[in-house]
Amino acid sequence: DGGITQSPKYLFRKEGQNVTLSCEQNLNHDAMYWYRQDPGQGLRLIYYSQIVNDFQKGDIAEGYSVSREKKESFPLTVTSAQKNPTAFYLCASSIFHSGGGSNQPQHFGDGTRLSIL
Amino acid sequence: AQKVTQAQTEISVVEKEDVTLDCVYETRDTTYYLFWYKQPPSGELVFLIRRNSFDEQNEISGRYSWNFQKSTSSFNFTITASQVVDSAVYFCALRIPSGTYKYIFGTGTRLKVLA
Repeated sequence: DGGITQSPKYLFRKEGQNVTLSCEQNLNHDAMYWYRQDPGQGLRLIYYSQIVNDFQKGDIAEGYSVSREKKESFPLTVTSAQKNPTAFYLCASSIFHSGGGSNQPQHFGDGTRLSIL
Repeated sequence: AQKVTQAQTEISVVEKEDVTLDCVYETRDTTYYLFWYKQPPSGELVFLIRRNSFDEQNEISGRYSWNFQKSTSSFNFTITASQVVDSAVYFCALRIPSGTYKYIFGTGTRLKVLA
């Protein structure tokens, strides 16, 4: 079945450490997204990518980095510069139309819960 | 600027009651898309419905129904005869085809259905 796989499900970060969250999709979607979800809050966009080798900052990109070397993969690195990384991280993908008129929904992974040790 | 407001933070109902989740959106664009997602305790967001701005038809799918009213910028979601399995966080989202291709999410409404 097609879908989005996020790993690991749970992750712990030590002080000063960078950690990388994996996101892989086999839906042949061009666009991929990373969101952060804090308790009782909505989804906040960290980064998104519309095509391979291209990505844009979202609303809360500071302290995070991404790469998009393959269409299927969009890993997120939480750097030591992110002072409050404890949150639930969701990866999503969608069909992307270069004309801009996409009404396609996003498909989401199961998420990664990151905590500080 | 675009914005989605879900004013109801948490709703509790007893099983078999009907419940309506409110969603109010803001945009100056004439073409836009609205979505509802369900987030069960497992964490994954599940797509429920999409509505285009030029299609104001209400929709019913089993126990779920959606009421889209452009005049009040609302896209409300009603669950009829609620069940315990409906317990989840529900998100409303807005997408504008021009610009940055972002999806704008509301803060979500946590629905608790009690047996």
